[in-house]
Amino acid sequence: EPEVTQTPSHQVTQMGQEVILRCVPISNHLYFYWYRQILGQKVEFLVSFYNNEISEKSEIFDDQFSVERPDGSNFTLKIRSTKLEDSAMYFCANSLQETQYFGPGTRLLVL
Amino acid sequence: SQQGEEDPQALSIQEGENATMNCSYKTSINNLQWYRQNSGRGLVHLILIRSNEREKHSGRLRVTLDTSKKSSSLLITASRAADTASYFCATEAGGYNKLIFGAGTRLAVHP
Repeated sequence: EPEVTQTPSHQVTQMGQEVILRCVPISNHLYFYWYRQILGQKVEFLVSFYNNEISEKSEIFDDQFSVERPDGSNFTLKIRSTKLEDSAMYFCANSLQETQYFGPGTRLLVL
Repeated sequence: SQQGEEDPQALSIQEGENATMNCSYKTSINNLQWYRQNSGRGLVHLILIRSNEREKHSGRLRVTLDTSKKSSSLLITASRAADTASYFCATEAGGYNKLIFGAGTRLAVHP
């Protein structure tokens, strides 16, 4: 069964540094999402992406965040200048219809 | 507003027993999805129930939806130690939109 993959699985960075989280979605899926989960808390929606543009974003998704599909297959989340509070598990998800399939996540630790 | 609140927060049972988890939400939805998360890992989709459905089965899983009460339940029958995980409900308001997750129920199944 096709799976969503994410790289890296873990990333440690210094505050103020830029990070890029990568996702390889299931190939025929059309809708893409990023979510995050701070340790011990709920999974929170960040952004949805369809037809090469953002369709919705949350209050969390401020100017330091951006998403793109640089080569039409990979889906990336960039955090320009990381803050301590960005430490979380970041999940990519995608869907063809209603069911969203999640990747295994990238655990980001900002020091 | 919060959406998709589960109860109980934690549930501890013996193998072979049934586990029931409940989810309440506040706004109108298109569908409600249940996910499982093993400790520190990704989210695994279990089952989706649409707003015009009242009950759905998948293997040992039974999901009900009561849109008049804005609530759903997930029943796992004949539980196994491998069912130990956190279970989340997530609601979708429509149009391949974001999922809004609850805080989850931590299920522990003891051999």
